[in-house]
Amino acid sequence: QSALTQPPSASGSPGQAVTISCTGTSSDVGGYNYVSWYQQHPGKAPKLTIYEVTKRPSGVPDRFSGSKSGNTASLTVSGLQAEDEADYYCSSYAGGNIFVFGTGTKVTVL
Amino acid sequence: QVQLVESGGRVVQPGGSLRLSCAASGFSFRTYAMHWVRQAPGKGLEWVALISYDESDNNNADSVKGRFTISRDNSKNTLYLQMNSLRDEDTAVYYCARDDILTGRMDVWGQGTTVTVSS
Repeated sequence: QSALTQPPSASGSPGQAVTISCTGTSSDVGGYNYVSWYQQHPGKAPKLTIYEVTKRPSGVPDRFSGSKSGNTASLTVSGLQAEDEADYYCSSYAGGNIFVFGTGTKVTVL
Repeated sequence: QVQLVESGGRVVQPGGSLRLSCAASGFSFRTYAMHWVRQAPGKGLEWVALISYDESDNNNADSVKGRFTISRDNSKNTLYLQMNSLRDEDTAVYYCARDDILTGRMDVWGQGTTVTVSS
């Protein structure tokens, strides 16, 4: 049960796009379409942002989008806004009723 | 409104035991799977355990296997995490989260309860 690999940090100016990768293996990210993304502001609980690779919960702006290719999933935030500055975590089903989170990425809005 | 409220976190000595609770309200608790997720100070999220809506399926992360047990009481709308043989590395904020059909869609989270393992 190794953590999924994310870049420690990412940044962009307001209005720009930033993409965060989440790399796993064929036993987790590559094997199932059950990748979720969570946004977490300091001192707050995580918030579901993307589920089942590409789906957005109601209330999440369409600036957030997800995709997957092979063993790597990605989250793209388009039209960056100040409130998007947060930590982002991916998560994947890994079979056998096991889930795994990514290492986390701190997104900074310049 | 839909809400999860964790409780039970405190300072405990290494080797000690603790039971966390997660009280659900505002939704049909008995129809949702549930997870425990933890976050050590300054660290990332770590999945801890899950239980299906009817307790027929459950599992733990390797890091807590044999020490932590997840359970639920649907008549009380409450999720539990029994934590035994606690170690320093179990120090973390523990969150409960609901998941509709065990796809990892954790769409409602509690505010977290803090467990500190220290002598």
